[in-house]
Amino acid sequence: SQQGEEDPQALSIQEGENATMNCSYKTSINNLQWYRQNSGRGLVHLILIRSNEREKHSGRLRVTLDTSKKSSSLLITASRAADTASYFCATARAGGTSYGKLTFGQGTILTVHP
Amino acid sequence: EAGVAQSPRYKIIEKRQSVAFWCNPISGHATLYWYQQILGQGPKLLIQFQNNGVVDDSQLPKDRFSAERLKGVDSTLKIQPAKLEDSAVYLCASSRKGQAITDTQYFGPGTRLTVL
Repeated sequence: SQQGEEDPQALSIQEGENATMNCSYKTSINNLQWYRQNSGRGLVHLILIRSNEREKHSGRLRVTLDTSKKSSSLLITASRAADTASYFCATARAGGTSYGKLTFGQGTILTVHP
Repeated sequence: EAGVAQSPRYKIIEKRQSVAFWCNPISGHATLYWYQQILGQGPKLLIQFQNNGVVDDSQLPKDRFSAERLKGVDSTLKIQPAKLEDSAVYLCASSRKGQAITDTQYFGPGTRLTVL
């Protein structure tokens, strides 16, 4: 079953604007990861945030994590048409026997208009 | 370095037929994953290999799906017989160790399966 729920399901913005996507999950996690998927490059890892971290940056990406609310957000600043893609959060559970197992959310479809 | 390779890229079959997908992970990567991604959903893990041993196959429909990773390198995923609901993109991914829960997974382009 899908653990993460993402919000919104679809987001449409203009180039240069910021895009914020949210992810909620249900169980305790070791880390949360964000992936991007488009037809050209497939599914690509963007950023990982550990459960003991609250915020992380990578270029134009900013990820926050609130473990008390079991939620995360991905902010893309100064968006470009090339950012058009589906964005997925994926969680790695705390404990368990299957290292590396990720549970993906349903995804947010981002469209950036030139 | 070369990425994860998958073939075929597209496959169309009739229900009740069988089909096989092939994956070649990044060289040196010990862990290999097969995911199923139904249209409009996120990927769902079917099976995880560590070298040539199965680590997790809890979501693999074992009555019709099978997978193997001989010699701990290439892997094949088979469906026999296929059902309409198996229409999806099948993604293969690999990671360097798989023993570190923060290992990055690298995904192949996927095989889009249509069952008619």
